Amino acid sequence: QQQVKQSPQSLIVQKGGISIINCAYENTAFDYFPWYQQFPGKGPALLIAIRPDVSEKKEGRFTISFNKSAKQFSLHIMDSQPGDSATYFCAASISGGYNKLIFGAGTRLAVHP
Amino acid sequence: NAGVMQNPRHLVRRRGQEARLRCSPMKGHSHVYWYRQLPEEGLKFMVYLQKENIIDESGMPKERFSAEFPKEGPSILRIQQVVRGDSAAYFCASSQTGPSEQFFGPGTRLTVL
Repeated sequence: QQQVKQSPQSLIVQKGGISIINCAYENTAFDYFPWYQQFPGKGPALLIAIRPDVSEKKEGRFTISFNKSAKQFSLHIMDSQPGDSATYFCAASISGGYNKLIFGAGTRLAVHP
Repeated sequence: NAGVMQNPRHLVRRRGQEARLRCSPMKGHSHVYWYRQLPEEGLKFMVYLQKENIIDESGMPKERFSAEFPKEGPSILRIQQVVRGDSAAYFCASSQTGPSEQFFGPGTRLTVL
C-alpha cells in the first residue's frame, strides 16, 4: 500500500515534443505529490508538486495532472528540450505524518535534438 | 545561502569496515531525512530525525545501520561492517518543518570492495 508505481521506465522524445510520465498509488492517505528531476551524479531537485485539492498545476513547461478517483497523477513536459534529459521521479507522502517521501522507480528521459 | 551539504561525496570501503556519512542541513532546517538509492532504482526512505531525536527509522535495516542528529554538528549515518550490498548512493534531505518541502543534498556514493 506504500508503493508508488511509475511508468514508463524510459522515454525518448524529439525536441519540441511532449513528454508524459505516469504514476499510480494505493494509499488514499497520501496528500502531497511532488516530482523530482535528477541529473547524473546529482541529488534530486524538486520540479513541481501538487496536493489533491486541485486537478492540475502548471509551472512553465511543466504540468501535473491529478486524478484523485483513479489514484493517478502524471507529469507533462511541453516543448521538451535536450536540457530536460534527466531521470524523473514521482513521489508521495502524508504531510500530516512524518512526510517521508515514497518514490517511484524513476523514468529516464532522453530528448533528442 | 548554502544548500544541503554532504560529505564525503565518494567513499570507498572494504568489506567489514565502517562507513560514516555526514549531512549538514540547510540553515534554519531542523528536520533531516536519509534515503538510499540503489543503482537504477528509486530512492528508498531510511530514517527521519529532528535535533537529538530519531522520529521514524522504519526504513533502516535492523542491524549495522544507525543514525544521529546531535544538538551541534551534522547528522551522521553510520554503517558498521559494510557488505557489498551496501554499495549505493545515500542522500539526505532537510526541511524547515515536517510537512514542508525537502531539499536534497548531492549524495554520498559508497562503494564497498
